[in-house]
Amino acid sequence: AQSVTQLGSHVSVSEGALVLLRCNYSSSVPPYLFWYVQYPNQGLQLLLKYTSAATLVKGINGFEAEFKKSETSFHLTKPSAHMSDAAEYFCAVSESGNTPLVFGKGTRLSVIA
Amino acid sequence: GAVVSQHPSWVICKSGTSVKIECRSLDFQATTMFWYRQFPKQSLMLMATSNEGSKATYEQGVEKDKFLINHASLTLSTLTVTSAHPEDSSFYICSASERIYEQYFGPGTRLTVT
Repeated sequence: AQSVTQLGSHVSVSEGALVLLRCNYSSSVPPYLFWYVQYPNQGLQLLLKYTSAATLVKGINGFEAEFKKSETSFHLTKPSAHMSDAAEYFCAVSESGNTPLVFGKGTRLSVIA
Repeated sequence: GAVVSQHPSWVICKSGTSVKIECRSLDFQATTMFWYRQFPKQSLMLMATSNEGSKATYEQGVEKDKFLINHASLTLSTLTVTSAHPEDSSFYICSASERIYEQYFGPGTRLTVT
């Protein structure tokens, strides 16, 4: 069975600081990995996805993530936080591209002015 | 980009009544749609997977007679919460998939049962 662990339910950074949201996965098959962002009372928006191509994946809004098989990790980073980045972030794993996603518990990102 | 809509965006109903939530893929044909449930400040939990023209596959612990899912066409899936109770109050989110690796989420429906 697949699972995702997001370390830290809440991360707080200063505006302009580095954003690092951690995600570790467990999968018996080569995984497909995703990061989504959710603003209050809204659905999920895809930030980026890893589908066995390049291990460094660039997404929208300046976010990127690196797939590290040896560490079973897929951490999300952004060099400089903006106030508009404050939201809930979910890491998810899938066995294939068209199967249900298994989500982590989410990490709430706060950005301090 | 691919757009998925949900209707209604929020609904309040009385205990014992039924509520239908629609999920539509607006600009693509969705071979598969997924229904998730999200409690406040929690993650999304998959309820069921539906493929057009076939019966939905429910996750363990989800009552299929209570949460009726119909995927009648390649652009529409519906979730009906039958005989709703306050514990069914939640945020329901659907997603739709056309191609591999691409799953698009609707904006969600907030259900409050009084």
